[in-house]
Amino acid sequence: NAGVTQTPKFRVLKTGQSMTLLCAQDMNHEYMYWYRQDPGMGLRLIHYSVGEGTTAKGEVPDGYNVSRLKKQNFLLGLESAAPSQTSVYFCASRSEDRGHTGELFFGEGSRLTVL
Amino acid sequence: GQNIDQPTEMTATEGAIVQINCTYQTSGFNGLFWYQQHAGEAPTFLSYNVLDGLEEKGRFSSFLSRSKGYSYLLLKELQMKDSASYLCAVMDSNYQLIWGAGTKLIIKP
Repeated sequence: NAGVTQTPKFRVLKTGQSMTLLCAQDMNHEYMYWYRQDPGMGLRLIHYSVGEGTTAKGEVPDGYNVSRLKKQNFLLGLESAAPSQTSVYFCASRSEDRGHTGELFFGEGSRLTVL
Repeated sequence: GQNIDQPTEMTATEGAIVQINCTYQTSGFNGLFWYQQHAGEAPTFLSYNVLDGLEEKGRFSSFLSRSKGYSYLLLKELQMKDSASYLCAVMDSNYQLIWGAGTKLIIKP
């Protein structure tokens, strides 16, 4: 049982380059999230999805796009990377059952550096 | 606006007890979570409180007072492996999690 898997784990980009982070979960969760984590700050929500084919903006969506074509996958795209997007990115998922604790399951993180 | 406050860093001694506080102001409340995050790793779930009171789980306990917008995480019999950051998060009325910046706990022998 892999849980939540993110690829790639590490990436270095030049300003203006594009890339896609892939998140895959095998727990049949409806909800999926992309966060970024920066030193001294809490996890900040970039985009999220409440089900296949649906996405919504979070707290810091600018410069990012997402897609949820399959229930198990949630892609995060950077169309034109900027140094301000240097961060650690975490994908997470949870069950839609609100009677549940709503516990989030996280991937291992993707460390992105934009030069 | 919505805000979660917790101390930036705390130091404690192996074998001792430490209490990490969290205060919050959010739009609605659907529960408070504590997560543990070791350096370079993903956060992992520790506890969930939605009603006032103390929830105990082994060496870890979590307390909630909704009227005061306050929670704490109590760690007993500290071990070196407890050195980590502890993240407080509140689920708001839209079922979105609002995160604190985390408390880095340093355990000394």
